[in-house]
Amino acid sequence: AQTVTQSQPEMSVQEAETVTLSCTYDTSESDYYLFWYKQPPSRQMILVIRQEAYKQQNATENRFSVNFQKAAKSFSLKISDSQLGDAAMYFCAYNSLGGKLIFGQGTTLQVKP
Amino acid sequence: DTEVTQTPKHLVMGMTNKKSLKCEQHMGHRAMYWYKQKAKKPPELMFVYSYEKLSINESVPSRFSPECPNSSLLNLHLHALQPEDSALYLCATKRGGSYNEQFFGPGTRLTVL
Repeated sequence: AQTVTQSQPEMSVQEAETVTLSCTYDTSESDYYLFWYKQPPSRQMILVIRQEAYKQQNATENRFSVNFQKAAKSFSLKISDSQLGDAAMYFCAYNSLGGKLIFGQGTTLQVKP
Repeated sequence: DTEVTQTPKHLVMGMTNKKSLKCEQHMGHRAMYWYKQKAKKPPELMFVYSYEKLSINESVPSRFSPECPNSSLLNLHLHALQPEDSALYLCATKRGGSYNEQFFGPGTRLTVL
């Protein structure tokens, strides 16, 4: 069975600085998708970024980028120029083709002014 | 319209009440999901509907009864709930095909007294 592990329950970053959230996963499949979701205190789950496993190029979305290491089964999220609005719980998630979305336990990110 | 909407935002009910949660989407997505989320935990999958048919029931107690009247609407009927059922209930949709990400609604905060 697939598993997703986020080893950092809490992280903090100074406003305007860069922070990296870690995620590792375990799977025997070769084709799958990885996601980072953000859940602010308002509680709406928002998709931040997605990565297809067959793509070697790391996904980027504005200030958000990932470091996808398929062999190491690692999928970290880098947030550049952190803003107060980035404060949230971040979930890493794995989805195989036609399978269920499997979440990590989440990392709470605090942004300090 | 790229939103998933959920009503009500908040619901308080007694253990003998019958209530329903509603989820609506107009994105043409063919898969719809119900999740239950406890505070500071990842969402837990409850049900999946694919093309308006129930495809996955994650051994959810029968006091939760899902319904998909049409491709835009998903209901969750609640009856004889327990206090431990208090949680945030999230609806999500997925387009399918090569687009594998799920889009979440804002959730219904349920409190069972």
